[in-house]
Amino acid sequence: DARVTQTPRHKVTEMGQEVTMRCQPILGHNTVFWYRQTMMQGLELLAYFRNRAPLDDSGMPKDRFSAEMPDATLATLKIQPSEPRDSAVYFCASGLPSDSWTVTGELFFGEGSRLTVL
Amino acid sequence: RKEVEQDPGPFNVPEGATVAFNCTYSNSASQSFFWYRQDCRKEPKLLMSVYSSGNEDGRFTAQLNRASQYISLLIRDSKLSDSATYLCVVHSFSGGYNKLIFGAGTRLAVHP
Repeated sequence: DARVTQTPRHKVTEMGQEVTMRCQPILGHNTVFWYRQTMMQGLELLAYFRNRAPLDDSGMPKDRFSAEMPDATLATLKIQPSEPRDSAVYFCASGLPSDSWTVTGELFFGEGSRLTVL
Repeated sequence: RKEVEQDPGPFNVPEGATVAFNCTYSNSASQSFFWYRQDCRKEPKLLMSVYSSGNEDGRFTAQLNRASQYISLLIRDSKLSDSATYLCVVHSFSGGYNKLIFGAGTRLAVHP
């Protein structure tokens, strides 16, 4: 059963520390998204890749966040330095090629990385 | 103003009740619409698409009103297992890219 895999599932860190979250999209999916979910804001789109190329990261605070896809099987989201307001659940999602997800609406989400910054 | 807005709830209803959630979107050029379901501490999953003519999937009915930029989800004969957060999702094309924009969700609690 193909699924999106995210690590770590939980992370507690202190303010100022670097945090790296990793995502393995479903094999064959060429679109990868990073979303952040908080109680107040809901699911916010942070970054978006197609064929490993970053298309849109306008939702991401550029001064401390960075997102990359070093290869087709790995996407990373890094926060440096982390702050308490970064505490949230970070979801990675992947979508089928040819943007068919725009028609079906179906993105496949990982289980999320729950980040707590003290 | 957020691009997709939902009443956060919670909606507390007894089993067997009918409940409806609404969602409004601000981008009149939005092209397609969906409902996702998210169980507590789990990832969101697609529930159903929303078609212009309205559509049903068992006890679930989704409707779209483009003129008012409004989407609804109706759940009939609520079950305990329907307890979850329901996310309204809008497909937009902006800045040259397709995006799925999620609402913050409406929480439903079905009690015995």
